This record gives sequence, C-alpha cells and structure tokens, in this order.
Amino acid sequence: EDQVTQSPEALRLQEGESSSLNCSYTVSGLRGLFWYRQDPGKGPEFLFTLYSAGEEKEKERLKATLTKKESFLHITAPKPEDSATYLCAVNSGGYQKVTFGTGTKLQVIP
Amino acid sequence: KAGVTQTPRYLIKTRGQQVTLSCSPISGHRSVSWYQQTPGQGLQFLFEYFSETQRNKGNFPGRFSGRQFSNSRSEMNVSTLELGDSALYLCASSATGVGQPQHFGDGTRLSIL
Repeated sequence: EDQVTQSPEALRLQEGESSSLNCSYTVSGLRGLFWYRQDPGKGPEFLFTLYSAGEEKEKERLKATLTKKESFLHITAPKPEDSATYLCAVNSGGYQKVTFGTGTKLQVIP
Repeated sequence: KAGVTQTPRYLIKTRGQQVTLSCSPISGHRSVSWYQQTPGQGLQFLFEYFSETQRNKGNFPGRFSGRQFSNSRSEMNVSTLELGDSALYLCASSATGVGQPQHFGDGTRLSIL
C-alpha cells in the first residue's frame, strides 16, 4: 500500500527565513508526485507535479525537488502570505488513485 | 476558465439521514475524484469516476456511493449518516486521470448532529 509521510507537522518561520518541507513516500510505480497548498476553508490548490528523480520545479519563492524516496519543498525568503498547509500526494499504478500526506502547516510571522 | 464547483457549501444533517453532494468539474475534464478530509485523518480517497464508470474505490463502507453523468458532473451520496461522517468532502477533476494534477473545489462541509 502506498504511504506518504510529511514532516514537520507544523513549522513557524520568521519572514525571510528560508526552510524546507519534507515528503517521504513508498509507492509501487510512481506516476507522479504532487504538491498542493491549502488555505483554511478552501480546497487544495495545485502547485507542482514531479515525475522522475532529479526533477525540479520552481514557482516564485517555492522550489520542489524529487529523489527516489522523498521530495522537498524549499521556501526561499517566505512572506506571511505563504502561510498555509502544504500537502504532498502520490499517484501510483493505474488511474487516479492518489494518496495524500497529512500536510505541513506553515506559519510565516512578519 | 471556471474551476471545480461543489454544492452545497455547507450542510447540516442528523444521524440516520442521507445526503447527496454535487460536483461540476472543469470543462473538458473527464476524471472526477472524491475525498473526505478530517483533522485527524487528512485527505482520504473515496472513489474516482471516468466517463461515467467508477475506476477506483477507497476503503469506505458501502454507505458511500457516487455516480457520474454524461456531462462529467458527479454526485456523491452518503446513506444512514453517522456522527463520524462529519467532514469536508472535496471533489477534484483532471483531464484523464493518470499522472495528472487534480484541481479541487472548495468542498462541502457536512456536519452531523
């Protein structure tokens, strides 16, 4: 059975203090690893898809990387508006059966 | 381009009742998935539909069911509601469903009294 573990559960950063969120996964046949951002009372918002080890994607202050066992979401010089829960998910095998981690709740303090 | 639309946004029911939730996917998307989100369990996969056929199902009891119509709109039904069914129910769509990102609606908040 696919497993996704995210750490830390919660992270508090000062504005401008860079850090990384971790997503460790165990799957049989990775079809894609996804990062989402979720704000309170909203559905998850898609950020990145990674397909193979060594792949990297960037968007503004966020950069996602992938190895064979884990993915990192690097946040450079975060701002208060980056505060949210960040979710990692994997799609393995066939079709759209996706397993989510429980998320990292990020708080950026001005 | 309109996003995924879920109705209603909020629902209050009592134990034993049944409920139907609705989801309109992004235009052109044929895969629709449903998830249950609770503080303790996170996002749990319920089922996925593609071209009116259920392709995948999570580990939920038979009280949870769904269907998809020819226009890709989907409904989810929960019968004999229990207190533990209180959750945020999220719908997500993608073009074909394999290795593609899903786009989520803002969910239906279901509260069971």
